[in-house]
Amino acid sequence: DAGITQSPRHKVTETGTPVTLRCHQTENHRYMYWYRQDPGHGLRLIHYSYGVKDTDKGEVSDGYSVSRSKTEDFLLTLESATSSQTSVYFCAISGTSGEAQETQYFGPGTRLLVL
Amino acid sequence: QQPVQSPQAVILREGEDAVINCSSSKALYSVHWYRQKHGEAPVFLMILLKGGEQKGHEKISASFNEKKQQSSLYLTASQLSYSGTYFCGIPQGGSEKLVFGKGTKLTVNP
Repeated sequence: DAGITQSPRHKVTETGTPVTLRCHQTENHRYMYWYRQDPGHGLRLIHYSYGVKDTDKGEVSDGYSVSRSKTEDFLLTLESATSSQTSVYFCAISGTSGEAQETQYFGPGTRLLVL
Repeated sequence: QQPVQSPQAVILREGEDAVINCSSSKALYSVHWYRQKHGEAPVFLMILLKGGEQKGHEKISASFNEKKQQSSLYLTASQLSYSGTYFCGIPQGGSEKLVFGKGTKLTVNP
């Protein structure tokens, strides 16, 4: 199994507060992704990274920012949390030799509740 | 563009078979299948590549029909452990991104 951890695993916060979620990998994969998962919507890409300091937006990036200062860490920040950002957030990694580039491995997820 | 999965949900008894379909409006070069159990992360099952190659995982196999722009997942003699939501994912833009279907919820009862 790919070594991916997410922290925190659960968080309750209030509307308007900033929140940062962390994804950490020990596999030296090039690509890292943040998804949110909501009932009826499946997995939707928020942002992804294709290298240190190289990031790009996904389909639901509004209200989110990311940073990747090291290969192993990918941070997702909600600048000012809103109730619509209550969701389960998954980090994923991909891009190791010997596999299709886009095969992704997911972290355990973070459950975020914004009150 | 998001692939379309069908059916949205299926309920089986142990030992029965099921087929889950994944269709795209654009040409397909590969299709990825994942399974997610309740409260857990999605887990990679298999990748189907252009050329109609069929792959297998446990008693789960899949086919890829590039002409029909469709992939099908076959679950044979289903077990209780097969319960979960199955997602297909297809590359979008550059090959490093996947766009996922909304999922098919499979429930296997004793």
